Amino acid sequence: GAVVSQHPSWVICKSGTSVKIECRSLDFQATTMFWYRQFPKQSLMLMATSNEGSKATYEQGVEKDKFLINHASLTLSTLTVTSAHPEDSSFYICSVPGQGRGAFFGQGTRLTVV
Amino acid sequence: QKEVEQDPGPLSVPEGAIVSLNCTYSNSAFQYFMWYRQYSRKGPELLMYTYSSGNKEDGRFTAQVDKSSKYISLFIRDSQPSDSATYLCAMSYNNAGNMLTFGGGTRLMVKP
Repeated sequence: GAVVSQHPSWVICKSGTSVKIECRSLDFQATTMFWYRQFPKQSLMLMATSNEGSKATYEQGVEKDKFLINHASLTLSTLTVTSAHPEDSSFYICSVPGQGRGAFFGQGTRLTVV
Repeated sequence: QKEVEQDPGPLSVPEGAIVSLNCTYSNSAFQYFMWYRQYSRKGPELLMYTYSSGNKEDGRFTAQVDKSSKYISLFIRDSQPSDSATYLCAMSYNNAGNMLTFGGGTRLMVKP
């Protein structure tokens, strides 16, 4: 069964609006979760590390004010894309550390900003 | 030069063929090696997880790691059309599931 649940699987929004993506760890508690972005036919790019109870750690070049991350509980992290623009259209994927078994990924969210 | 190199393909094989997918890497500090399968518009699914050099088999899949050559492979026996996907190698310094470095992915097409 699924280890990580990500919702929604796809979303279309108007330019200038905000979109929230949820990532839930189903099998175990996760003090850290990770958010990736993937462009068509490219590999995953780590955006940020979500830390339970503290601020997220962002990779170089990722705007923390545009991509708001909240890790309010040990099983839930959210990524909010604020004031979305067409260039933010992408595939966003979260992952949870696999407790010695690599990492498990959510189903991904396809965001289209029109 | 990228830390992890992977031929993007596409690799097209007939059903039943043995498939060989490979990655090379430059950082000898990597200790943990993974293979993920990603179907179109889906998240990556963990296929194999190995530590250090050696072989690991799981059903039709065999993962091979050669740290001396900085080379890892995934073999798929009796390939099926349902194996058509993009295969991503990933590696890390620790087993905490973080700090993963991915290859670019190889697109595999298995034709019936």
